[in-house]
Amino acid sequence: RKEVEQDPGPFNVPEGATVAFNCTYSNSASQSFFWYRQDCRKEPKLLMSVYSSGNEDGRFTAQLNRASQYISLLIRDSKLSDSATYLCVVNSGANNLFFGTGTRLTVIP
Amino acid sequence: GAGVSQSPSNKVTEKGKDVELRCDPISGHTALYWYRQSLGQGLEFLIYFQGNSAPDKSGLPSDRFSAERTGGSVSTLTIQRTQQEDSAVYLCASSPGDGYTEAFFGQGTRLTVV
Repeated sequence: RKEVEQDPGPFNVPEGATVAFNCTYSNSASQSFFWYRQDCRKEPKLLMSVYSSGNEDGRFTAQLNRASQYISLLIRDSKLSDSATYLCVVNSGANNLFFGTGTRLTVIP
Repeated sequence: GAGVSQSPSNKVTEKGKDVELRCDPISGHTALYWYRQSLGQGLEFLIYFQGNSAPDKSGLPSDRFSAERTGGSVSTLTIQRTQQEDSAVYLCASSPGDGYTEAFFGQGTRLTVV
């Protein structure tokens, strides 16, 4: 079983829509969680960390469910510029970062 | 520079040749990762260094691939006898290794084997 699993998509949504991605992880001892964004032909960059209590940054909301071992990312009022691949990242108990394969989002005019 | 630096940014090589890819992590970062990404695909883990511990080499696809990290800083990924299927972007990332802080990526080396 993979350490981190994501639905690869693609998700094609109209501008203004709300879209949510989920990611599951296998190691219950995982300590920290992140969402990264990767634009086409660019390196991944941190979008936001995911805190136990959930956290929000503008139109983006990240949540963690330890009991079910998943994290989520919600994007409200989607913009064309949100089109990218979103990567779920989990830091395992052994202090190694595991990346999901990413979920591709395309926001359509 | 303040970020992770990789060189070369692009490399075209003939099948069968050896190549070396270099990564300069952020100063003070004890953890260093190598990933490979083929066109349109997700990140494929290759190898992970953490301080003076033995590296996690579980992602290396074959014995043609090797990596080292000298002095706990610069890392070199070597691919021997390159094959066309080795063509990909090779990404390096580093983190403080504290178990909580995110990793930072270099811009990658785009390897093309012809």
